[in-house]
Amino acid sequence: GAVVSQHPSRVICKSGTSVKIECRSLDFQATTMFWYRQFPKKSLMLMATSNEGSKATYEQGVEKDKFLINHASLTLSTLTVTSAHPEDSSFYICSAGTAIGGYTFGSGTRLTVV
Amino acid sequence: EDKVVQSPLSLVVHEGDTVTLNCSYEVTNFRSLLWYKQEKKAPTFLFMLTSSGIEKKSGRLSSILDKKELSSILNITATQTGDSAIYLCAPWSSGGSNYKLTFGKGTLLTVNP
Repeated sequence: GAVVSQHPSRVICKSGTSVKIECRSLDFQATTMFWYRQFPKKSLMLMATSNEGSKATYEQGVEKDKFLINHASLTLSTLTVTSAHPEDSSFYICSAGTAIGGYTFGSGTRLTVV
Repeated sequence: EDKVVQSPLSLVVHEGDTVTLNCSYEVTNFRSLLWYKQEKKAPTFLFMLTSSGIEKKSGRLSSILDKKELSSILNITATQTGDSAIYLCAPWSSGGSNYKLTFGKGTLLTVNP
């Protein structure tokens, strides 16, 4: 149980375009989903916390207009990177769950902006 | 399907104890295995292991990879209350168009004074 599917696993897009990444909880309902970005040397940075039905809470330094997060249902959250630039190229990971049940990570999305 | 199993799921010890956390994995195109410590916000990176049998150390923490057994252990000696956290292992696989980090469920470590 507790499977989180992240899609796509890899995407290459042109500078200036937008990319949507989906995070789905397949067999459970996730009241909270987290979005992370992985940096070189493998550290993970929390970008935002999304709660179903409400606006996402962004961490300091993360542009909310650039990284749009929508958590429209208990099983789906999306991260849209708008007007992507090469410096947005990174590995993005979500995790989903509840405070009681714990959190499960997705397998990540590698974004390359050319 | 890629799989990562961590054991134990949770562990309660007293300060000063030594603990060993286990991680076994089955992933295609394995590259490396990463260990993270998660307390609050984002998991904190601990180690990246690529070669079998070479121990990596950082203070009281050490880790080693066994690619034959498809497993890794994380040791913490002389535990402190500040070591209380969820420890996650994540094999990193990469090949062709595939680039994937598969996290285990984690081991919840509680260190009591």
